[in-house]
Amino acid sequence: QKEVEQNSGPLSVPEGAIASLNCTYSDRGSQSFFWYRQYSGKSPELIMFIYSNGDKEDGRFTAQLNKASQYVSLLIRDSQPSDSATYLCAVNKGNAGNMLTFGGGTRLMVKP
Amino acid sequence: GAVVSQHPSRVICKSGTSVKIECRSLDFQATTMFWYRQFPKQSLMLMATSNEGSKATYEQGVEKDKFLINHASLTLSTLTVTSAHPEDSSFYICSASKGGVRGYTFGSGTRLTVV
Repeated sequence: QKEVEQNSGPLSVPEGAIASLNCTYSDRGSQSFFWYRQYSGKSPELIMFIYSNGDKEDGRFTAQLNKASQYVSLLIRDSQPSDSATYLCAVNKGNAGNMLTFGGGTRLMVKP
Repeated sequence: GAVVSQHPSRVICKSGTSVKIECRSLDFQATTMFWYRQFPKQSLMLMATSNEGSKATYEQGVEKDKFLINHASLTLSTLTVTSAHPEDSSFYICSASKGGVRGYTFGSGTRLTVV
């Protein structure tokens, strides 16, 4: 079992719809969780982080964390074609150096 | 804040030569930086953890003598790909953190092509 798992996709949604991206992790001791967006040929950029159970909203993005079920999700409301990218879930287990463990990423395609 | 600069953004080199990639934290000090490699359509693969003032920690399967990492100051880490071969062609990305729960900022990446 991978430490951080994501469906590779592609996840295809129509413009204006809600895109739901999911991520599960194996280490119950994980402390903080991150969503990065990566456009093709570019390096990842941080969208959001969350470390408490529940929802965290930032503009069109909502991160949801459920530690009991060991999953974290990212909702993108009013999806735009410019949201088309690969979304990486990353987990900080709180170990030395605060190293992040990344999932394989989910490719999102928003169709006009 | 938390800007990470990576240079060069793109490099083409001949097989057998060495290439140095620099990663700088511009507005913060980073005791730890990370180097990743990403092949086309694949996810990030952690190569090594760069620690200021000490030896880097390499992931399993990464040759430390081929990928030399130097973290001589709190704002600079370098990755040198020695005796590069075409199979080393990839997208190399560094990252650093200001600490705490805010995660990491990535450099802009270096596209290495070995011909």
